[in-house]
Amino acid sequence: AQSVTQLGSHVSVSEGALVLLRCNYSSSVPPYLFWYVQYPNQGLQLLLKYTTGATLVKGINGFEAEFKKSETSFHLTKPSAHMSDAAEYFCAVREMGGTGNQFYFGTGTSLTVIP
Amino acid sequence: NAGVTQTPKFQVLKTGQSMTLQCAQDMNHEYMSWYRQDPGMGLRLIHYSVGAGITDQGEVPNGYNVSRSTTEDFPLRLLSAAPSQTSVYFCASSYRQGTYEQYFGPGTRLTVT
Repeated sequence: AQSVTQLGSHVSVSEGALVLLRCNYSSSVPPYLFWYVQYPNQGLQLLLKYTTGATLVKGINGFEAEFKKSETSFHLTKPSAHMSDAAEYFCAVREMGGTGNQFYFGTGTSLTVIP
Repeated sequence: NAGVTQTPKFQVLKTGQSMTLQCAQDMNHEYMSWYRQDPGMGLRLIHYSVGAGITDQGEVPNGYNVSRSTTEDFPLRLLSAAPSQTSVYFCASSYRQGTYEQYFGPGTRLTVT
């Protein structure tokens, strides 16, 4: 089964600083890759996704992620953190092929933005 | 479109009670799933369905039942609630093809005492 690793369960950055949230997956076949964001007491919403094509993907709220096949990584970045970015972030992969729910989530990274 | 809706938002049960968490979607998605979210454990798949009449177990199915009689609805039943089932439950749906991105409901916060 696929495993998704998010390094750092808690990340703190100063307002205006770079945000970097790390995600690695285990599949040898590049899957579909997703980042979701969860604001307090809300459901998850899609931030961005990689399916095929350009490996640098732009999402909502100024976030972007780069798919690196050689490193099996899909790290999330934002050049300048805003207070409103404080939330829980989940990396997810969807394995290719098959007919079941082959959607796997990381354990999440809680982002704190310090004013 | 309402998207994915879940009811109730909050629920408190006593040990041994049963209840059904409701989930509905109006996007004509074939796939629907139930997850539970616990601190430090991310989202764990309970049950999923790839279409009406078809369901399967996920990672943590014990103590839960599901059925899918229509494309729109996917209720989750707790047969005999236990304190270990205290959690936040999310329903999600997606198309069977394409990019498979999942759309999530707002969640149900369940406490079992």
